[in-house]
Amino acid sequence: GENVEQHPSTLSVQEGDSAVIKCTYSDSASNYFPWYKQELGKRPQLIIDIRSNVGEKKDQRIAVTLNKTAKHFSLHITETQPEDSAVYFCAASSASGGSNYKLTFGKGTLLTVNP
Amino acid sequence: DTEVTQTPKHLVMGMTNKKSLKCEQHMGHRAMYWYKQKAKKPPELMFVYSYEKLSINESVPSRFSPECPNSSLLNLHLHALQPEDSALYLCASSQDRVRRSQYFGPGTRLTVT
Repeated sequence: GENVEQHPSTLSVQEGDSAVIKCTYSDSASNYFPWYKQELGKRPQLIIDIRSNVGEKKDQRIAVTLNKTAKHFSLHITETQPEDSAVYFCAASSASGGSNYKLTFGKGTLLTVNP
Repeated sequence: DTEVTQTPKHLVMGMTNKKSLKCEQHMGHRAMYWYKQKAKKPPELMFVYSYEKLSINESVPSRFSPECPNSSLLNLHLHALQPEDSALYLCASSQDRVRRSQYFGPGTRLTVT
């Protein structure tokens, strides 16, 4: 089955700096890669997702890049703000068989943005 | 309406109790999911319903029993739970198997005593 590795497990940045979180996946059939932000005591919130037919996607201060050959994808947050502090999860999903619905999550990155 | 709602927010139950968790969405999504999340861990998939039919059961113990009465509602019936079942139970929905973006509800914080 799919395996997703996420690094780093914790990340501390100064307000205004950029933050990068990286994930690798094992199943070459995976073709959908969402990122979730989860604040303490809150629901996971879908912040951006990318499909394997594109290499990069941006939404304001957030961008995701995908390298299918290397099987890794990354989340980039620019001009970080204290409200970006949360746990971020990457995930991967395959289109093969009945796996469309199944998201395999990374273990999460605790991002702290210091004012 | 772009939200998934869940009730109750908190639930404390004894090991002999029977209770149910409820989830509702009015986005016209045809796939609904139950996840279990322990502290500092990612969500762990339990069940998937697609077009009101059980599509995935991730070898969940029978003390958890899902039900999908219609395309907007998803229930999780709980019976004879163990203390280790204490967790945040999250419901999610997505449009279908092609449009796979999953949106989570706020969860039910379950404590089994």
